Parts: sequence; C-alpha cells; structure tokens
Amino acid sequence: KAGVTQTPRYLIKTRGQQVTLSCSPISGHRSVSWYQQTPGQGLQFLFEYFSETQRNKGNFPGRFSGRQFSNSRSEMNVSTLELGDSALYLCASSLGDSFSPLHFGNGTRLTVT
Amino acid sequence: AQTVTQSQPEMSVQEAETVTLSCTYDTSESNYYLFWYKQPPSRQMILVIRQEAYKQQNATENRFSVNFQKAAKSFSLKISDSQLGDTAMYFCAFMKQTQGGSEKLVFGKGTKLTVNP
Repeated sequence: KAGVTQTPRYLIKTRGQQVTLSCSPISGHRSVSWYQQTPGQGLQFLFEYFSETQRNKGNFPGRFSGRQFSNSRSEMNVSTLELGDSALYLCASSLGDSFSPLHFGNGTRLTVT
Repeated sequence: AQTVTQSQPEMSVQEAETVTLSCTYDTSESNYYLFWYKQPPSRQMILVIRQEAYKQQNATENRFSVNFQKAAKSFSLKISDSQLGDTAMYFCAFMKQTQGGSEKLVFGKGTKLTVNP
C-alpha cells in the first residue's frame, strides 16, 4: 500500500499570502488529521476530518482551515500568512476509530518570509 | 486537559546497548491510549509501540518495550540492542478513548536519541 503523501514538500511564501497544502491518505483510510510542528511549541493538533466532515478542531485561529473530499484526500489552507506560521505541517491518516494508529506523511515545510 | 512530559531532551547510547526514555502524563481520564512515535531526519513520524490503558500487560514490539505504570502515570520506552537506525526524535503521545470516534494525539516535546557506533 502506498503511504500518506503530502505535497508539496517545501513551500516559501511571503507574509500576507495564502497557502494550500495537500494530503492523500492511505487507501481505505477515512480520517485525516493535521498537525503543526515547530521547535518552540512542538506538535500541535490542527483539525481532523472524517468522511468529509470536520470532527475535531484544535486551538488555532480561523486563518487555518481545511476540507476533505469524497476520496478522503484533504487540503489545509492558511490565509494571511504570518511569520509564526513557519513550521512543518504533518498530515496523518487512519481508519478513524479509537486506537487505530495514525500513519503520518513526510510533511510540508512552510517558510514564511 | 491532558499533558505529556518528556524530561530528557537528549540522550545517547552506544550501539548494542539498552536505553530507556521517560514519559509522564497527566489526565483525569480512565480509558486512554499511549503511543511512542519516532521521527528520523526524513521527518516522517513512525509508530513504534502503543499501549491501551486498561491492559496491565506491557506492550512489546521486537526490541522495543514499554513500562506502563498507570497509577504513577508513567510510560517509559526501553530500546534493547540499540542500532544506528534508532537515531531519531522520540515522541510520547496520549489519546483519549472515545466511543466510535477518534481524538487528537497530545504529544510530548520529544527526546533526541543518538546511537553511537
């Protein structure tokens, strides 16, 4: 089985711009979660989608949004980028029930200048 | 709110030796899951081992085993016969149990493990 695929691997954007990150889950997985990883804050949960519905949400401002398509692929959007949004964004997929392990992608490294 | 604490920012071990990484957590939940993830320089988070809180028996996966002490809220990872490929950041993580759904993972800050030849 192919693993979780995140595109692009690297992004450089300017403050004020917006960005869209993409995540293709493992085939058969219906849950996709997004995490932000920074040296200062560590790994923080952004949101989780299951069957095209947002099921859980972390404590991030409304500039961070996401969606999931009928094929379970997910996109994450960040609008009005700030320098503090520079981070590694990790996507993880799972079957979506408790205790199903999360399978992570290689992440997208976003740099905001 | 749940918190996960990894008190060792960095550790090193000689190849073939054993090392133990510490993790403590705080929760008022009685049913939950605990995980250890590994993140090598490739950036991909890889599940190492997981434990269901209601199971008293400690989980093992080949060279990896845990010491789960529920009353003490402690969940340490033991790596036996360390290999160079074990060099990575190790994250302890907590997930609340829900009925049918899934919850977010709460991660610790990580321990950077270096295996020396």
